[in-house]
Amino acid sequence: GEDVEQSLFLSVREGDSSVINCTYTDSSSTYLYWYKQEPGAGLQLLTYIFSNMDMKQDQRLTVLLNKKDKHLSLRIADTQTGDSAIYFCAEPLNYQLIWGAGTKLIIKP
Amino acid sequence: ETGVTQSPTHLIKTRGQQVTLRCSSQSGHNTVSWYQQALGQGPQFIFQYYREEENGRGNFPPRFSGLQFPNYSSELNVNALELDDSALYLCASSLHVSGGGLSYNEQFFGPGTRLTVL
Repeated sequence: GEDVEQSLFLSVREGDSSVINCTYTDSSSTYLYWYKQEPGAGLQLLTYIFSNMDMKQDQRLTVLLNKKDKHLSLRIADTQTGDSAIYFCAEPLNYQLIWGAGTKLIIKP
Repeated sequence: ETGVTQSPTHLIKTRGQQVTLRCSSQSGHNTVSWYQQALGQGPQFIFQYYREEENGRGNFPPRFSGLQFPNYSSELNVNALELDDSALYLCASSLHVSGGGLSYNEQFFGPGTRLTVL
């Protein structure tokens, strides 16, 4: 099918690492995205990864890609209150992006 | 800030009415995509315009229509509004970027228009 799947919620303590997981649908996708959406705001591109990579690091963000299992993850190190948001993974399909339902990241003090 | 702007920010309409939403794309982008995001869900693709022509369409009825202008700004029109049309409508403009032997289209999103249908 065309469903990109994500867990709906993740709760972590401030300062811990957050790992948000996603299962995508098309093994031929050449790249995959992570977007962030804060309350009442539009979508902000966080990072992307090409399919010929299995890891990408960008400051506090680490993206891992397992093409065999069609599994994508986003790790946020040293999670801060400003990281509270909904995180979406998205994969391209022809001219459009197919999105997961989003994972709401909740930060506990 | 992505440079993509949308207007209005909020809109309230009643069932059966018509609405026009507007989007100005980022400078240099010639492709605009529209998405509908219902509360608690991910965005759903409505359609895409490239150089003033519809380039692809998602699973939305014909009462959802669009236009792209020579300056690449765009409109989304929805006729005969239904309660289920209440959502955040997002516009994204695209830039084609190549790197590492692969290429990808980076979509920059506007802040959205929140439409409420009563």
